[in-house]
Amino acid sequence: DAKTTQPPSMDCAEGRAANLPCNHSTISGNEYVYWYRQIHSQGPQYIIHGLKNNETNEMASLIITEDRKSSTLILPHATLRDTAVYYCIVRVWSGYALNFGKGTSLLVTP
Amino acid sequence: DSGVTQTPKHLITATGQRVTLRCSPRSGDLSVYWYQQSLDQGLQFLIQYYNGEERAKGNILERFSAQQFPDLHSELNLSSLELGDSALYFCASSDGQGRDSGNTIYFGEGSWLTVV
Repeated sequence: DAKTTQPPSMDCAEGRAANLPCNHSTISGNEYVYWYRQIHSQGPQYIIHGLKNNETNEMASLIITEDRKSSTLILPHATLRDTAVYYCIVRVWSGYALNFGKGTSLLVTP
Repeated sequence: DSGVTQTPKHLITATGQRVTLRCSPRSGDLSVYWYQQSLDQGLQFLIQYYNGEERAKGNILERFSAQQFPDLHSELNLSSLELGDSALYFCASSDGQGRDSGNTIYFGEGSWLTVV
């Protein structure tokens, strides 16, 4: 699976959009981009995934660049409960486990 | 609620002992994964089972073993426990049958193991 690069930490004001970037310049054509988050010591929570088109669900939006070498997770209106470590992972559909890196620690402040 | 159930939630045991952690995957999911998360390490993949067969191995110690039963629940056995085995152990599951477009993996809430 391709490697990803994320900033170690970010801050966001409550109510504002949180834009979390991820670089995956070695992504292959059959690899999906997944985003998970982990709120302190809880189980990782699935957020969203995509192959090449932008995706949106009730939690977030995923914007994937046309060359697929980077993506951005957007939390449109961040709340204090969105404070967590966010992981960007690339993986083939029929792939095996998710390989978690260090992720981005997002702090949402009042 | 992810639908993945893990028991026990907390466990304290002594060095040298053996414990078993149990996982019930989401209904219909064939794949089960085990992960370890200790304070100084990130989420480390241990092992994956698919429909009862071992499919992939990660950083699993020889003192650890797992199995998946015909009803698809899984157990992780940890033996000759050491202080360094104290960690959160997560189970996760995925469909693996093509019904989910991304073969998404869903995690349980974990089992806290403390070795004293």
